[in-house]
Amino acid sequence: GEDVEQSLFLSVREGDSSVINCTYTDSSSTYLYWYKQEPGAGLQLLTYIFSNMDMKQDQRLTVLLNKKDKHLSLRIADTQTGDSAIYFCAERAGANNLFFGTGTRLTVIP
Amino acid sequence: NAGVTQTPKFRVLKTGQSMTLLCAQDMNHEYMYWYRQDPGMGLRLIHYSVGEGTTAKGEVPDGYNVSRLKKQNFLLGLESAAPSQTSVYFCASSWLAASEQFFGPGTRLTVL
Repeated sequence: GEDVEQSLFLSVREGDSSVINCTYTDSSSTYLYWYKQEPGAGLQLLTYIFSNMDMKQDQRLTVLLNKKDKHLSLRIADTQTGDSAIYFCAERAGANNLFFGTGTRLTVIP
Repeated sequence: NAGVTQTPKFRVLKTGQSMTLLCAQDMNHEYMYWYRQDPGMGLRLIHYSVGEGTTAKGEVPDGYNVSRLKKQNFLLGLESAAPSQTSVYFCASSWLAASEQFFGPGTRLTVL
């Protein structure tokens, strides 16, 4: 399968910005996604970006895509304790396959 | 709407036992998926279905079988469980292949 990599852990203080990074390998990816997983729950789609876009902003979330470097990032402004979760990036490679990264566990320190 | 539901939530099996995990969705989605999630790894696709009566292999299909007899249900079977199948299993559904996937809450399976 495709290789999607993320760092495993990130800690930030409440009110600071969080930046979660992801690298992927398939240059033909059409969509890239960010999912959030809270403890004991399934994944919930946060946002996505089409591969011909560089940036997408949605309230406190900013997604940046560097297609040349195959690098995707998710910035959460004014991080709150409720943002503590595991964040997965995923790329769509092929019609039916989503390839997920390992997930980054975000811990927000009050 | 309940969305995507999975039963059971937890299960412990002995090596060699069989079981079936049930996924149900009430959103009239065509596509349904089974993933497994292991520590330090992302979700990996086991099998998927593009419509009632169809199934296809994903990235890690060995040791699993699936059936989609009704549009709203997608069953994942383990015929002879192995400790390597200890994992958290997630079902998901989507309207189209490129649409958002909606996930169930997961089933935690332990094989002793």
